[in-house]
Amino acid sequence: QVQLQQWGAGLVKPSEPLSLTCAVYGGSFRGYYWSWIRQSPGKGLEWIGEINHSGSTHSNPSLKSRITMSVDTSKNQISLKLTSVTAADTAVYYCARSYPLDSSDWRNNWFDPWGQGTLVTVSP
Amino acid sequence: QSVLTQPPSVSGAPGQRVTISCTEHSSNVGAGYDVHWYQQLPGTAPKLLIYGNNNRPSGVPDRFSGSKSGTSASLAITGLQAEDEADYYCQSFDSSLSGSWVFGGGTKLTVL
Repeated sequence: QVQLQQWGAGLVKPSEPLSLTCAVYGGSFRGYYWSWIRQSPGKGLEWIGEINHSGSTHSNPSLKSRITMSVDTSKNQISLKLTSVTAADTAVYYCARSYPLDSSDWRNNWFDPWGQGTLVTVSP
Repeated sequence: QSVLTQPPSVSGAPGQRVTISCTEHSSNVGAGYDVHWYQQLPGTAPKLLIYGNNNRPSGVPDRFSGSKSGTSASLAITGLQAEDEADYYCQSFDSSLSGSWVFGGGTKLTVL
């Protein structure tokens, strides 16, 4: 059974970067894309981006210029860095498993399972 | 404006049947992408409830069912139980400018 455990700083100052890491336990790490999703009261659930074991990434165009995603295959971990944060980036951030690399129907992807979530507050 | 529109809230008494709708915005109409549903209990991460419009993952009770017709999808819950009180979200793919996965605004289910 695949389990995702995530961590990162819970309080970030405006204009500074937000950094989160997600570790994948069990199942196939190399066989899937792995996504970041955030949830805020104002914008609801928002897909941020995804990465696979080789470092191939896709991002939400609305956040693409501020996002860096990375992968550590030796630890089965993915990381997210979001730069130039503002109060609007305050949210609970989740990692989640996306679609298999060999999927021919990736647009119909769903997210399962999810990490436990990390509340990130942007405040001076 | 969200590509997927859900009612903010629904309610029902124990044992009753409720439905939650998820309507696609015009920019995504006709795309025919699958709709998936998630249940989020208070203080927890969303959990996959229905995938591919009408499929239940292992462990999800058959009281939960999904359907899709044209530009609308629905989640039905029969035999409502107190433990079903949660937020429910639909999710699909947005083929417009964003070209990314999108979620509905969520529906709060209250069990009376």
